[in-house]
Parts: sequence; C-alpha cells; structure tokens
Amino acid sequence: SAVISQKPSRDICQRGTSLTIQCQVDSQVTMMFWYRQQPGQSLTLIATANQGSEATYESGFVIDKFPISRPNLTFSTLTVSNMSPEDSSIYLCSVSSGTGPYNEQFFGPGTRLTVL
Amino acid sequence: AQSVAQPEDQVNVAEGNPLTVKCTYSVSGNPYLFWYVQYPNRGLQFLLKYITGDNLVKGSYGFEAEFNKSQTSFHLKKPSALVSDSALYFCAVREEGNNRLAFGKGNQVVVIP
Repeated sequence: SAVISQKPSRDICQRGTSLTIQCQVDSQVTMMFWYRQQPGQSLTLIATANQGSEATYESGFVIDKFPISRPNLTFSTLTVSNMSPEDSSIYLCSVSSGTGPYNEQFFGPGTRLTVL
Repeated sequence: AQSVAQPEDQVNVAEGNPLTVKCTYSVSGNPYLFWYVQYPNRGLQFLLKYITGDNLVKGSYGFEAEFNKSQTSFHLKKPSALVSDSALYFCAVREEGNNRLAFGKGNQVVVIP
C-alpha cells in the first residue's frame, strides 16, 4: 500500500485568507483525489487531481475556490481560498492502488482546518 | 447513480460479542464494495473489498464481510469485538466504469468493556 503524508496536519486560519495543503506519496500513482470530511459527516469528493492537466471538479466545487496542482505522479496540493468558517473541515488526500474500479483507495492522515 | 446506505448511526456491542455493521448499496451494473475504518484523529484505513467470486471476504484485524446480491448488502462482521475496534466505519461502492468512490455516512462503533 502507498504511504501518504499531508502537511500541515492542522491549522487555524482567519476568515478571508487561503491555505495550501500538500500531499506527498511514496510511490508514483495515477489517480489522486481530494476529499472533504465535515464534522460528523461522511467524505465528499472535491476533485480528481490530474497530472499535467486541470483537475476534474465535482458538482458544487469550483477551481477558483479549491485550486489544485499536480506537477508529478507523487505530489499534489489543494488550496482553500478566501476561507470562511463553513470551510472548517478535515481535508483528505487519497490515491488509488490502480486505475480499475476494483482498486482500493488509500488515504492520508488528513489536514484539520479551523476557520475563525 | 451509485450510492451507499448505512442505516444505523451508532452500533453498541459488548466486548467479546459479535459485531455487525450494516451496509446496502445501489449501482448500475456490477458493484465493487469496500469497507474502511477511521480511528480518532486518523485517516481512513482500508479493511477489505469485494470484487467477484466468493461472497465472504476476509480482511484486516479479523473483520469479514458478506456480499449478498439479492439483498444488495455488504455487511461487515467480526465474531468477537475488542474495545480497540471502537471507531468510525465507512462502507463504499464503485460501479463499473466509474472511478469515484461513493461513501456511506459512516457508523460509529462503540465496544463496551
């Protein structure tokens, strides 16, 4: 299984500022994803991070609010822009063990974001 | 569209008793089913998956799950629960042709000493 690290592990930010979260994987992976887990709720997919091209966003999420970079097959960043208290969540990076639908996904430890 | 239902919010079980966490799914075509566990302040850990073949799949930490196509269910089970099994459990499904995982709302499992 892939080993995934995220930075920062947690942060407290002021309204209106931006935070960039980094995700590093110990091996090259094709599929990388960013999820949000709001307090007491399930995981919601924000976008699929595509290497060398623009991320694919899910309904309700836009690039201006959540810009994503993926410069290579082991690294990605998610920025939460112009934050508001509603953005307080755990943000999780995830990778798939392969490209097929039967492949499990592995998750990073998450970044716990609190917006004041 | 693919979806997962985990009908219970919390499952309480005494240590040493059997543990069952329920999951039903809805997909178009063949389902690929997964269970994950989330311990406090940790990311999700993969437990097991069903792809095809034997309906009973075994996974990490003594967990197993049974795929039932007629009931569209994939319940997670453990014969004898431990206090350390107390965590949040997520069922997830992916249908063929879709690279997105759909997660259930999660079940909090509390194992009582």
